[in-house]
Amino acid sequence: GESVGLHLPTLSVQEGDNSIINCAYSNSASDYFIWYKQESGKGPQFIIDIRSNMDKRQGQRVTVLLNKTVKHLSLQIAATQPGDSAVYFCAENVSKRYFGTGTSLTVIP
Amino acid sequence: EPEVTQTPSHQVTQMGQEVILRCVPISNHLYFYWYRQILGQKVEFLVSFYNNEISEKSEIFDDQFSVERPDGSNFTLKIRSTKLEDSAMYFCASSGSRASNQPQHFGDGTRLSIL
Repeated sequence: GESVGLHLPTLSVQEGDNSIINCAYSNSASDYFIWYKQESGKGPQFIIDIRSNMDKRQGQRVTVLLNKTVKHLSLQIAATQPGDSAVYFCAENVSKRYFGTGTSLTVIP
Repeated sequence: EPEVTQTPSHQVTQMGQEVILRCVPISNHLYFYWYRQILGQKVEFLVSFYNNEISEKSEIFDDQFSVERPDGSNFTLKIRSTKLEDSAMYFCASSGSRASNQPQHFGDGTRLSIL
């Protein structure tokens, strides 16, 4: 069945390094993708989105890359800061916005 | 910045009792959602609501669940007879115009504990 999944459950990076979080999806009909950040005790917070007519979109310190050929999505965080420590989820619009299990990012000061 | 607010932040209820979780979506949003997240697990879609009716629901959203928009601001989730496995964080979300290509804005959730 359709799924939205993440490759790694945890990721630790040194403060100041770049982080890359990956996500795979299986529904070819998906045309809109979202990355959310969830801090402890909080709800998911929108970070950045991308439509399927694009393969890259940049925000402030974040970049999302979309590879429709292999159904892969990644979130790059530049100069990772302690405040970036959270669980990151990808979601897409077709499968009722199902979320993956998330990647827990830990930033080491 | 407008935000989705949820009350209460923590609800403790005896098994078998009814519980109502409340949400105030962002005021100009038209699509409303409920999700749940069991501790340590992924966020699971429950239901979406548009134009005063359910537009989609998951298999989790059985007859024990209902949603309502009783007035112009509140959006509620009712669980009629709670079970132990209903213990989870429940998140409300809302989005603007077309649901399929708009990000959802989430509240900070209600932690539901069933005893």
